Amino acid sequence: AQKITQTQPGMFVQEKEAVTLDCTYDTSDPSYGLFWYKQPSSGEMIFLIYQGSYDQQNATEGRYSLNFQKARKSANLVISASQLGDSAMYFCAMREPQGKLIFGTGTRLQVFP
Amino acid sequence: EPEVTQTPSHQVTQMGQEVILRCVPISNHLYFYWYRQILGQKVEFLVSFYNNEISEKSEIFDDQFSVERPDGSNFTLKIRSTKLEDSAMYFCASSVSGIHNSPLHFGNGTRLTVT
Repeated sequence: AQKITQTQPGMFVQEKEAVTLDCTYDTSDPSYGLFWYKQPSSGEMIFLIYQGSYDQQNATEGRYSLNFQKARKSANLVISASQLGDSAMYFCAMREPQGKLIFGTGTRLQVFP
Repeated sequence: EPEVTQTPSHQVTQMGQEVILRCVPISNHLYFYWYRQILGQKVEFLVSFYNNEISEKSEIFDDQFSVERPDGSNFTLKIRSTKLEDSAMYFCASSVSGIHNSPLHFGNGTRLTVT
């Protein structure tokens, strides 16, 4: 069965610094997608970035990049130049073909001035 | 940009009452989902829906729950007889396809409070 693990319940980062949020996964299917979502205090779930299991290059979207290490089954999110508005809960999630999206337990990021 | 719309944003109901949570998925999406998040906890899958039928459901999605796509735009979650433990944020999501590279797009959620 597929599983997502986020071991950091909370992280702090100073404004303008980079931060890495960890995510490991487990699946027996060779085809899968890895996603990161942001949940601000207002509650909505915002899709940030996607990495496919067959993608050779790490995904990037603006200040977000995904450090994908397939052999280690990790898909860490890197946020560069942190901003106060980045303070939120971040969820790593995985989707298998024709499957639902399953979530990790999340990491609460706090950006301080 | 198209978005998933959920109504109401907040619903308060008494234990034992029926509630219907409503969602309008993105118009060209074919796969629909309900998730719930009990305050401060993990986002849990409830049910997926495709081609007018349930494609998968979790153990949470028992006989008290049902989903329907009554017309071409709405997707609803009904809880027949609410319990205190049904208090949670309920998210509707949709995706254009069911394959692994298709992200789910979530609505802003309905916060259900059962008293």
